[in-house]
Amino acid sequence: GAGVSQSPSNKVTEKGKDVELRCDPISGHTALYWYRQRLGQGLEFLIYFQGNSAPDKSGLPSDRFSAERTGESVSTLTIQRTQQEDSAVYLCASSFWTSGSSYNEQFFGPGTRLTVL
Amino acid sequence: GDSVTQMEGPVTLSEEAFLTINCTYTATGYPSLFWYVQYPGEGLQLLLKATKADDKGSNKGFEATYRKETTSFHLEKGSVQVSDSAVYFCALRIPYGNNRLAFGKGNQVVVIP
Repeated sequence: GAGVSQSPSNKVTEKGKDVELRCDPISGHTALYWYRQRLGQGLEFLIYFQGNSAPDKSGLPSDRFSAERTGESVSTLTIQRTQQEDSAVYLCASSFWTSGSSYNEQFFGPGTRLTVL
Repeated sequence: GDSVTQMEGPVTLSEEAFLTINCTYTATGYPSLFWYVQYPGEGLQLLLKATKADDKGSNKGFEATYRKETTSFHLEKGSVQVSDSAVYFCALRIPYGNNRLAFGKGNQVVVIP
């Protein structure tokens, strides 16, 4: 079946503009994660959605960042008034969810490369 | 907080050489540990994992053993191929909350024919 897809694959924008990034998770995956990968750095957790629960926004770096997800479908990550330090690859991952200590593999999308000029 | 540290810098080696990439971690509790690989032009893929101390994860000739006493999860392969050229990330699963992953910075591995 289809994997996680993200769009656009590349986005170049001017400082101060708003951008919207999209993630289509694998069908049936209730958990969805956004991560950011800045040049030369590991992936940083941004936000997590699980079903209809309140999202875990603890990784968002500033109030310019927000994300939405309707049910168990598409998610959008919005960055307002972009800054040059927002330049990075934004990765989305999805997984099944089971309670307790079980780990469910996260499947990653190809990412959106954002460049802020 | 929970974190992962990978050895600095890219790794360049010849085909059939032995590969080691060091990874150490800091965590409260008992995290699960992972190696992810990112081939050129592709997304991150899970390479192997270990969920408890002394577990050995293995896949595609790669191995890593969960060493609680040294808080390490070093990746090894006995004979690399050109097709192993990729970026390798060590990660741990935060052992509470939302299952999110904490990643190291990654190591670029280049295998020369």
